[in-house]
Amino acid sequence: EPEVTQTPSHQVTQMGQEVILRCVPISNHLYFYWYRQILGQKVEFLVSFYNNEISEKSEIFDDQFSVERPDGSNFTLKIRSTKLEDSAMYFCASNPKGGTEAFFGQGTRLTVV
Amino acid sequence: QKEVEQNSGPLSVPEGAIASLNCTYSDRGSQSFFWYRQYSGKSPELIMSIYSNGDKEDGRFTAQLNKASQYVSLLIRDSQPSDSATYLCAVNPSSGSARQLTFGSGTQLTVLP
Repeated sequence: EPEVTQTPSHQVTQMGQEVILRCVPISNHLYFYWYRQILGQKVEFLVSFYNNEISEKSEIFDDQFSVERPDGSNFTLKIRSTKLEDSAMYFCASNPKGGTEAFFGQGTRLTVV
Repeated sequence: QKEVEQNSGPLSVPEGAIASLNCTYSDRGSQSFFWYRQYSGKSPELIMSIYSNGDKEDGRFTAQLNKASQYVSLLIRDSQPSDSATYLCAVNPSSGSARQLTFGSGTQLTVLP
């Protein structure tokens, strides 16, 4: 069964460093998303991506964040100048069409120290 | 602000009983509704989707939607200890092409052997 895959599963970084989280969405899906879940809190939307550009973004997704689809399969989230409060689980998701069932990757646990 | 509200629980039911999980949403124009299961430290796993008023059954799970009351529920019949998890209600907004999900805070379910 096709699935969304994310790497790495766990990333520890020093405050102020840049991190890149990677995702391979399901191959025939067209919409890609990043969500974040701080420990004990809700899953929060960060950004959606369609047709090689950002479709929607939340207030969380400021200039510190960027997304890219560098080739036909990978979808990346870059976080610049990481802060302690960026520590969270980051989930990638994809679906074939907006509004339909979205499938989540296993997540990357980001720990900023 | 579009909100999705759930009772946080914890909800405890004995093995074999019916677990009932409830969710309300504020965006009256919402079109798509989903239930995800999340085990501790893991990613959300889609278990049900519902798009029109009424009931939708899939195995031991039944989703119920009432758009007039802005209410969606999930029933789990013959609950098993393996059903113990946090259940997330997620709603697609009425606007935007990507239709990213808005999540509730989740209801923690414990099924007692």
